[in-house]
Amino acid sequence: AQKITQTQPGMFVQEKEAVTLDCTYDTSDPSYGLFWYKQPSSGEMIFLIYQGSYDQQNATEGRYSLNFQKARKSANLVISASQLGDSAMYFCAMREGGYNKLIFGAGTRLAVHP
Amino acid sequence: DAMVIQNPRYQVTQFGKPVTLSCSQTLNHNVMYWYQQKSSQAPKLLFHYYDKDFNNEADTPDNFQSRRPNTSFCFLDIRSPGLGDAAMYLCATSNPGLAGYNEQFFGPGTRLTVL
Repeated sequence: AQKITQTQPGMFVQEKEAVTLDCTYDTSDPSYGLFWYKQPSSGEMIFLIYQGSYDQQNATEGRYSLNFQKARKSANLVISASQLGDSAMYFCAMREGGYNKLIFGAGTRLAVHP
Repeated sequence: DAMVIQNPRYQVTQFGKPVTLSCSQTLNHNVMYWYQQKSSQAPKLLFHYYDKDFNNEADTPDNFQSRRPNTSFCFLDIRSPGLGDAAMYLCATSNPGLAGYNEQFFGPGTRLTVL
């Protein structure tokens, strides 16, 4: 069965510093997709970045990059130059089966301190 | 802007009183999902529609039903809400047939309180 694990319930970082949020996954399917979403206190889920299992390069989107280590089954999110507005819950998710269904990790709450 | 809209944003109901949550989308996506998210937990998929085909998750209680009268709208009906059903309910859409990431687009959620 597919599974996503986020082992950091909470993290804090100083403003303007970089932070890494961990995500490991387990699947026997050779074709899969990994997503990171941000959930501010207002509740909506905001898509940040995507990594496909066959992508040769690590994904980047502005200040977000994904450190994809396929052999270790890890897909860590790196946020560079943290901003106060980055304080939120962050969820790692994996596409499961058809219909783009997602399974989510437990999430990591990030606090950015001034 | 194309988007996913959920109404109301906050809903208060009484124990056992049926309640309906609404979701609409302007993205013309063929898949719509309903998630339940309890405090400090990950979203949990309740069911999804692929066009008019309804797909229930195995562990979704019978108390939860859904309707999708057309492409744009999808409703979540809770027939007899219990205190344990208090949660954030998130609606999302996607279009698996499109090239690209095929990420899910989420609405802002409806926070349900059961008194």
